[in-house]
Amino acid sequence: AQSVAQPEDQVNVAEGNPLTVKCTYSVSGNPYLFWYVQYPNRGLQFLLKYITGDNLVKGSYGFEAEFNKSQTSFHLKKPSALVSDSALYFCAVRDVENAGNMLTFGGGTRLMVKP
Amino acid sequence: DAGVIQSPRHEVTEMGQEVTLRCKPISGHDYLFWYRQTMMRGLELLIYFNNNVPIDDSGMPEDRFSAKMPNASFSTLKIQPSEPRDSAVYFCASSSEGGGITGELFFGEGSRLTVL
Repeated sequence: AQSVAQPEDQVNVAEGNPLTVKCTYSVSGNPYLFWYVQYPNRGLQFLLKYITGDNLVKGSYGFEAEFNKSQTSFHLKKPSALVSDSALYFCAVRDVENAGNMLTFGGGTRLMVKP
Repeated sequence: DAGVIQSPRHEVTEMGQEVTLRCKPISGHDYLFWYRQTMMRGLELLIYFNNNVPIDDSGMPEDRFSAKMPNASFSTLKIQPSEPRDSAVYFCASSSEGGGITGELFFGEGSRLTVL
């Protein structure tokens, strides 16, 4: 079975500071990993993905994530946070070999960026 | 492209009533997913279709829930009879062949259901 853990319900950051939103995963095969963002009263929007290749993935709005196979992690990062980054962030995983076409989402982490 | 279109955006109904949620996927997408989001349970996959055929409905909570996709441009999620514990935001998402593999789902804005 595949699973995703986002250990922090909420992350608080001051504007201009770097931010990290943590994600760890568990799959029996190779993972495809994703980050999505959800703004209030909106659907989820795709941010970035890791499929293969370079462990550092760059995505929308200046976000990036680093795939670490030994630590089974895929933390989301941004060098300088903006107030407008405040939203709910979801990590998701797909086990390439064993889960058909389904993504499993984590429970979400609320990011609060304060001016 | 208009994106994934869901209706209604908000629905308030009384326990026991039938509820029908509608979804129009992005044209050309051949995967369609129904998710439910609640504070307690987070984001749950209810069912997904490929080329209008239901592939996995193991997430459908019980027989009160049913989903159909009569054609490539329309899907419904029906709850009959509805119960207060069905109150949630229901999302429809679509993706194209390969998009399902790469995980780039395109979500609608959701239908917020309140069952009194």
